Amino acid sequence: EAQVTQNPRYLITVTGKKLTVTCSQNMNHEYMSWYRQDPGLGLRQIYYSMNVEVTDKGDVPEGYKVSRKEKRNFPLILESPSPNQTSLYFCASSRGGEVGELFFGEGSRLTVL
Amino acid sequence: GQNIDQPTEMTATEGAIVQINCTYQTSGFNGLFWYQQHAGEAPTFLSYNVLDGLEEKGRFSSFLSRSKGYSYLLLKELQMKDSASYLCAVLDSNYQLIWGAGTKLIIKP
Repeated sequence: EAQVTQNPRYLITVTGKKLTVTCSQNMNHEYMSWYRQDPGLGLRQIYYSMNVEVTDKGDVPEGYKVSRKEKRNFPLILESPSPNQTSLYFCASSRGGEVGELFFGEGSRLTVL
Repeated sequence: GQNIDQPTEMTATEGAIVQINCTYQTSGFNGLFWYQQHAGEAPTFLSYNVLDGLEEKGRFSSFLSRSKGYSYLLLKELQMKDSASYLCAVLDSNYQLIWGAGTKLIIKP
């Protein structure tokens, strides 16, 4: 089954404790992206990757890191989480050249205390 | 700046028709997308318009007017399962997606 898998789905952590949210897709998609979604603000892009070893900042990259060492994986790293990073996070992927038709993971709800 | 405007919330009756509007001001245009998002779930792709006109897909249709910076999503024969948020997104000249905040559609029996 074609899918984008994120883990963990739910996480409560404390300020400053490094965490990683994993994202994996099995569709051989070139493009992958991370979004956060907050009430009333819609989806905001954090980072994206057009292909292996190619990553770029989105609209709200501060406080986040990513890597793209393999085509299927695109982890999101919060080196020192803060309460303003409490949010619902989505990973998404698409075929190269078709950036808009995205396949989303189920989402990861993160709470930073 | 770039901006996508959609109504925050709409209410409609089961079996009826509803039109959700989206206006945009972006740096260039390479297509407009509509996504559906049920509460607590991931967005799912509904439609894509890049040329002016109407694209029909079953009960859902999407319209685009590039000269007016305007699109709408038309949902016919509404069902309770259509209760969801509907997200409008525009692909700008840099092939970056600009998202609206979404329209929450409430369907009443």
